[in-house]
Amino acid sequence: AQSVTQLGSHVSVSEGALVLLRCNYSSSVPPYLFWYVQYPNQGLQLLLKYTTGATLVKGINGFEAEFKKSETSFHLTKPSAHMSDAAEYFCAVRGYSSASKIIFGSGTRLSIRP
Amino acid sequence: NAGVTQTPKFQVLKTGQSMTLQCAQDMNHEYMSWYRQDPGMGLRLIHYSVGAGITDQGEVPNGYNVSRSTTEDFPLRLLSAAPSQTSVYFCASMIAGMGEQYFGPGTRLTVT
Repeated sequence: AQSVTQLGSHVSVSEGALVLLRCNYSSSVPPYLFWYVQYPNQGLQLLLKYTTGATLVKGINGFEAEFKKSETSFHLTKPSAHMSDAAEYFCAVRGYSSASKIIFGSGTRLSIRP
Repeated sequence: NAGVTQTPKFQVLKTGQSMTLQCAQDMNHEYMSWYRQDPGMGLRLIHYSVGAGITDQGEVPNGYNVSRSTTEDFPLRLLSAAPSQTSVYFCASMIAGMGEQYFGPGTRLTVT
């Protein structure tokens, strides 16, 4: 069964600092991978996704993530944090089959210090 | 397009009551799903559907029923509400395959 582990339920960085949110997955075959963001009292919206091809994926708001098969990781980064980045971030995984479930990690709350 | 809509936004139930959370999408997406979100546990999949007439269980299906009679609608039924079902419920849809999920705004349910 697929699973997703997000290391760190809460990450705090200073404005302008590097953001690194960690995600590891377990899957028998390379899956599709996603990062979603949730702002307070809202639903989730897609930041970026990896399906096939280039392992470095760029998303919205300056975020990017790199798929590393050997490490079964898909960590999310942003070079310079902005106050508006404060939100909860979820990593998700699904298999190739169109009937595959989509499984989410437990989430990481990102706080930005002025 | 309205996207994914959910009703109601808020609901308070007493233990043992039943109710249906409504979810509708106007994007002609085959895949629809229901999640519950609880603090520290992320989103957990309750049920999902890959097309009209086809549903399957997710990670936490007990106490919930679903049906999918049309492409647009995917209601979630709580048969006999319990305090453990207090949560925020999200419905999502996507084009079957590798597409991104589009989420509704959520329903905040409290069971007393």
